[in-house]
Amino acid sequence: QVQLQQSGPGLVKPSQTLSVTCAISGDSVSSNSAAWNWVRQSPSRGLEWLGRTYYRSKWFNDYEVSVKSRITINPDTSKNQFSLQLNSVTPEDTAVYYCVRAAAAGTYDYWGQGTLVTVSS
Amino acid sequence: VVMTQSPLSLPVTLGQPASISCRSSQSLVSSDGNTYLNWFQQRPGQSPRRLIYKVSNRDSGVPDRFSGSGSGTDFTLKISRVEAEDVGVYYCMQGTHWPWTFGQGTKVEIK
Repeated sequence: QVQLQQSGPGLVKPSQTLSVTCAISGDSVSSNSAAWNWVRQSPSRGLEWLGRTYYRSKWFNDYEVSVKSRITINPDTSKNQFSLQLNSVTPEDTAVYYCVRAAAAGTYDYWGQGTLVTVSS
Repeated sequence: VVMTQSPLSLPVTLGQPASISCRSSQSLVSSDGNTYLNWFQQRPGQSPRRLIYKVSNRDSGVPDRFSGSGSGTDFTLKISRVEAEDVGVYYCMQGTHWPWTFGQGTKVEIK
């Protein structure tokens, strides 16, 4: 059974960096058949995909266009986890952030428990 | 691809059927012949949980009162007899066109 356990601060000041980590059990971040995603949810934007990392003989990243200049997703093979960093945050980045696995074409199957991140001074 | 759900709010009586519509701005038939349309349930205070993938395939453990149907751009999630545990928000999601996108959600509540 795959489990995704998230951790990270719930409060970030404007202009600073949001960081959330997702620890994986039951699968490997280096899997050749899975992709590891970050999705956020807010009342104004609904469910919004932010980006992903995946390994296919080498590491790849894809990012949503609207956050591409501010986002970094990094795998950590030593701890079997991956992380999200979002720079220069504003109150509009206030949301629940989820890590999500995609292990088959066209679908997400496992979700983390979610991390509410509030951007406020 | 824009996913449009209706209704956005659905009050239902316990034991009665419920139906949620999802329409996509483009056909969701993939070049491999599959249609990657998913349905997720989000109960209050919980993460989304997948119910249905590829239009009509129920996930393990999902009650058979949930069914998915449709093709092309028009899809439907049906609950044959609503139970109290079905309260929550239901989202359709397309996985055919990159980036994958969600509908805005349909809130199911008990009358």
